Amino acid sequence: EAAVTQSPRNKVAVTGGKVTLSCNQTNNHNNMYWYRQDTGHGLRLIHYSYGAGSTEKGDIPDGYKASRPSQENFSLILELATPSQTSVYFCASGDLGGRQNTLYFGAGTRLSVL
Amino acid sequence: AQSVTQPDARVTVSEGASLQLRCKYSYSATPYLFWYVQYPRQGLQLLLKYYSGDPVVQGVNSFEAEFSKSNSSFHLQKASVHWSDSAVYFCALSQYTNTGKLTFGDGTVLTVKP
Repeated sequence: EAAVTQSPRNKVAVTGGKVTLSCNQTNNHNNMYWYRQDTGHGLRLIHYSYGAGSTEKGDIPDGYKASRPSQENFSLILELATPSQTSVYFCASGDLGGRQNTLYFGAGTRLSVL
Repeated sequence: AQSVTQPDARVTVSEGASLQLRCKYSYSATPYLFWYVQYPRQGLQLLLKYYSGDPVVQGVNSFEAEFSKSNSSFHLQKASVHWSDSAVYFCALSQYTNTGKLTFGDGTVLTVKP
């Protein structure tokens, strides 16, 4: 079973502060993703990566940076956090070879920006 | 641009009753389609997926979904629900060329009454 671990699980930050959300996967998947989920809405893609050293912008990248230093780790960085970034953030990994095409999600990080 | 619409924000059914959760999509070609389930304070888990072929696909826990190209729909069904099926259900699509980048609907909250 694929394993995706996010840390921290909960975070309270101040407006203007820097926040780093971490994600680790142990399945050697090439692709990793960061989504945010807001109440009453589906997930929206922030950034994604095809492998170590690569990051790509998703649908809502403004205000976020991403870093993929290794196959296993993918971080989401909020340089200057704002209250509008209060949300639940999900990391996912996936191996898209053949017909696999399945994403495995972490349990989420609940971020509150005050 | 692609989109996914789940017209029912909340659905309540009695235990043992049949279930249908609706999903409509908009995409110019034939997409990859998915249903994910999210239990409280957990990440999303894949229920089933459709690529091509038989329009009825079977998933975990006796869920199935039927793809209709003419109706641009991918409705989720279950013959007899259990209280443990209470969760949020998301329909999602990916482009045929598939990058793993999913477009999600807003989700349907399912409550199963004992």
